[in-house]
Amino acid sequence: ILNVEQSPQSLHVQEGDSTNFTCSFPSSNFYALHWYRWETAKSPEALFVMTLNGDEKKKGRISATLNTKEGYSYLYIKGSQPEDSATYLCARGTGANNLFFGTGTRLTVIP
Amino acid sequence: DGGITQSPKYLFRKEGQNVTLSCEQNLNHDAMYWYRQDPGQGLRLIYYSQIVNDFQKGDIAEGYSVSREKKESFPLTVTSAQKNPTAFYLCASSPTGYQPQHFGDGTRLSIL
Repeated sequence: ILNVEQSPQSLHVQEGDSTNFTCSFPSSNFYALHWYRWETAKSPEALFVMTLNGDEKKKGRISATLNTKEGYSYLYIKGSQPEDSATYLCARGTGANNLFFGTGTRLTVIP
Repeated sequence: DGGITQSPKYLFRKEGQNVTLSCEQNLNHDAMYWYRQDPGQGLRLIYYSQIVNDFQKGDIAEGYSVSREKKESFPLTVTSAQKNPTAFYLCASSPTGYQPQHFGDGTRLSIL
């Protein structure tokens, strides 16, 4: 079992604040690290797939970094907006692209 | 629009009954997956298929069965052997390789 841990479990931020969450995973036999955003009543939506140590990905105000040697990834949101409210999931991918998910970080952005 | 369709949205099972959850995709993806979500836990892999007529067990396959007779379809049967079937079930698909998975809207299964 490839345990993936996410922190914090939940957080509330004010609109305009920047925030970040952590995903930690076993560093051995690494293939890929996925980030998804899951809004209430919708299906999870892929944000990033990262495969190389030192990878940095960006999509609008959201960015992610990856450290495979120490087994962690950070997701950053700059200038949070109410529409960013969602649960953010990270998952470690296997060689067969199966995913082992963390329990997620639930973000609430207060207008 | 391309996507994944899961049906039904809500399903109720009687004790001792088998039920089948439907998952159809028109994304032309080779790989398909079934996950289960329980409160306070991450999504857990039940079964996956990387090609038609082939599938493998995930972490929690006991009490479930699948088939992959067509590329577009990957139905999941929850059998009476699954003692705790109440959960939210998500189907996903992806191209081969380290690609993001695309998810359906899910089916919520409850026991009567």
